[in-house]
Amino acid sequence: QQQVKQSPQSLIVQKGGISIINCAYENTAFDYFPWYQQFPGKGPALLIAIRPDVSEKKEGRFTISFNKSAKQFSLHIMDSQPGDSATYFCAAFSGGGNKLTFGTGTQLKVEL
Amino acid sequence: KAGVTQTPRYLIKTRGQQVTLSCSPISGHRSVSWYQQTPGQGLQFLFEYFSETQRNKGNFPGRFSGRQFSNSRSEMNVSTLELGDSALYLCASSLVGGIRTEAFFGQGTRLTVV
Repeated sequence: QQQVKQSPQSLIVQKGGISIINCAYENTAFDYFPWYQQFPGKGPALLIAIRPDVSEKKEGRFTISFNKSAKQFSLHIMDSQPGDSATYFCAAFSGGGNKLTFGTGTQLKVEL
Repeated sequence: KAGVTQTPRYLIKTRGQQVTLSCSPISGHRSVSWYQQTPGQGLQFLFEYFSETQRNKGNFPGRFSGRQFSNSRSEMNVSTLELGDSALYLCASSLVGGIRTEAFFGQGTRLTVV
């Protein structure tokens, strides 16, 4: 059972545009929501993360918006650059320990 | 500070064989988790080890096992390999204690079963 739904599966954005990736979850026990960026041949790298008591978090060009009542959160990449072309995963922590449940991933391509 | 190191980077094994993958976490990190990444199933949690004890386990058959040593290094073993075990196996290390901490991933071991 997929507990974190991610959309879109793929996304093409023009350089300088805004990339938006959405995620929705079902398990209300999730209590920490990181986003990961993965380049081909590499492991996922932590991009930014948010806790459910915060509605928005911004780090540079990356912003997470969080809607606890709707159980949805999204990643916005402002001024998208070709170097941002990668696969992005939303994820969620729950329970004791460090078990992550991942979304299915979004393949982002930023065109010149 | 060195990152998470996984060895080997690539492996080719024959169906029915067994394989052992290794992970060295970031210095000071005591939690090590393993994930399987495939195009069809995405990133799936296998198990987590902390202080040499398995703390969490995902929904994988018993052919998948792991262990952690006193220096926090971890190994993952897959016995009786099947073609469907072909995947990128990722290890992640985390600090433990306090509120949620981030998981840092290694580059993975690409396992191909033929």
